[in-house]
Amino acid sequence: QVQLQESGPGLVKPSQTLSLTCTVSGGSINSDSYYWSWIRQTAGKGLEWIGRIYFSGSINYNPSLESRVTISQDTSKNRFSLKLRSLTAADTAVYYCARALAGSYGYYAFDIWGQGTMVTVSS
Amino acid sequence: SYVLTQPPSVSVAPGQTARITCGEDNIGSKSVHWYQQKPGQAPVLLLYDDSDRPSGIPERFSGSNSGNTATLTITRVAVGDEADYYCQVWDTSNDHPCVFGGGTKLTVL
Repeated sequence: QVQLQESGPGLVKPSQTLSLTCTVSGGSINSDSYYWSWIRQTAGKGLEWIGRIYFSGSINYNPSLESRVTISQDTSKNRFSLKLRSLTAADTAVYYCARALAGSYGYYAFDIWGQGTMVTVSS
Repeated sequence: SYVLTQPPSVSVAPGQTARITCGEDNIGSKSVHWYQQKPGQAPVLLLYDDSDRPSGIPERFSGSNSGNTATLTITRVAVGDEADYYCQVWDTSNDHPCVFGGGTKLTVL
């Protein structure tokens, strides 16, 4: 079955850039049936959608984060990535990658999630 | 940021029925998805398109959506259902197209 696995640093300094990668196994990201997404969860703000990428390269971002975020994909390695710039303590969260449905049923429901990776922004 | 309105907590005795609401103006015109999250785990898709269950989700979990409120109903609640529950919509008419509810902690007394 399809599995997603996040990887990246657990601790990042303020003002620096966070780089996370989501490796997909058991299925291809080069599919028109899914969007590949990033979501984060903080204690204070719950779940927050960061953005998504489609196999065609089409990308959408949360307007609240758009100025600091870049999502990309590497289909040759079957993975997609997140870069979040100018970090502050408010970016401390568990970061999830997730697969969202792109068909007419369950449109943009997140049916598969990675286990999540805790990122702390601190000096 | 924009968040769908959920009650912070709901309590129910084992064997009873729990109802968790998700509110927004005219949410009945949108497809609502529901997730269950247990401590230390990633969310799991519980319902999609208001009331459809993915494979493996028990029939005890059902949903409805009308007017300004979507509702997740859990019948014959078990101790193992104790978790956080989140609703979510995708709405391109909104500046923030992908929105989650604030989450509801279900406590089984």
